[in-house]
Amino acid sequence: QVQVQQWGAGLLKPSETLSLTCGVYGGSFSGYYWSWIRQPPGKGLEWIGEIHLSGDTTYNPSLKSRVTMSVDTSKNQFSLKLSSVTAADTAVYYCVRNVDYGGSGFAFDVWGQGTMVTVSS
Amino acid sequence: EIVLTQSPGTLSLSPGERATLSCRASQSVSSSYLAWYQQRPGQAPRLLIYGASSRATGIPDRFSGSGSGTDFTLIISRLEPEDSAVYYCQQYGGSPLWTFGQGTKVEIK
Repeated sequence: QVQVQQWGAGLLKPSETLSLTCGVYGGSFSGYYWSWIRQPPGKGLEWIGEIHLSGDTTYNPSLKSRVTMSVDTSKNQFSLKLSSVTAADTAVYYCVRNVDYGGSGFAFDVWGQGTMVTVSS
Repeated sequence: EIVLTQSPGTLSLSPGERATLSCRASQSVSSSYLAWYQQRPGQAPRLLIYGASSRATGIPDRFSGSGSGTDFTLIISRLEPEDSAVYYCQQYGGSPLWTFGQGTKVEIK
């Protein structure tokens, strides 16, 4: 059963760079796209972007100028960097697995535990 | 951008009752690309339904999804206390690639 575990700094100052990493354990890393999703306190879900082990990425246009995703296939890990953070970036950040049900659907089927990131001076 | 609008905002029902949640898209969505998630307080979301009507692994048959085009529905046929949660619909395609509805909160009396 694949599991994902995420880690990174939970408290940042405005203008700093958010950095999170997600490790994939107990299952296949290849063959999937992996996404980051965030959720501000008391609000809904926002997709940030996705990455494949090939390095192929797609970002949310609203965040594209500040987002960088990378992958380390030797460690089965992928990472998120979000630059120039402000209080509006305060949220729980999740790493998730994108699943393709072979024409029957696309969804996010495996979720990390979430990392609360607070931006405050 | 494809905007998903969920209704109602909050649903308050008793155990054993039926809950009907709606998700309306601003433009047509392929049924293959519509999913539903459950998020209990303090937890990560959990996939319930993919492809508009297929239950994910381990999801009880009390949960069912239907719909096409711009109108999709999640039904919880017999509510149980553990169904108290926020439910999100999600679509794939367009720009941004993935978007979510704002959520429907289900409260069990």
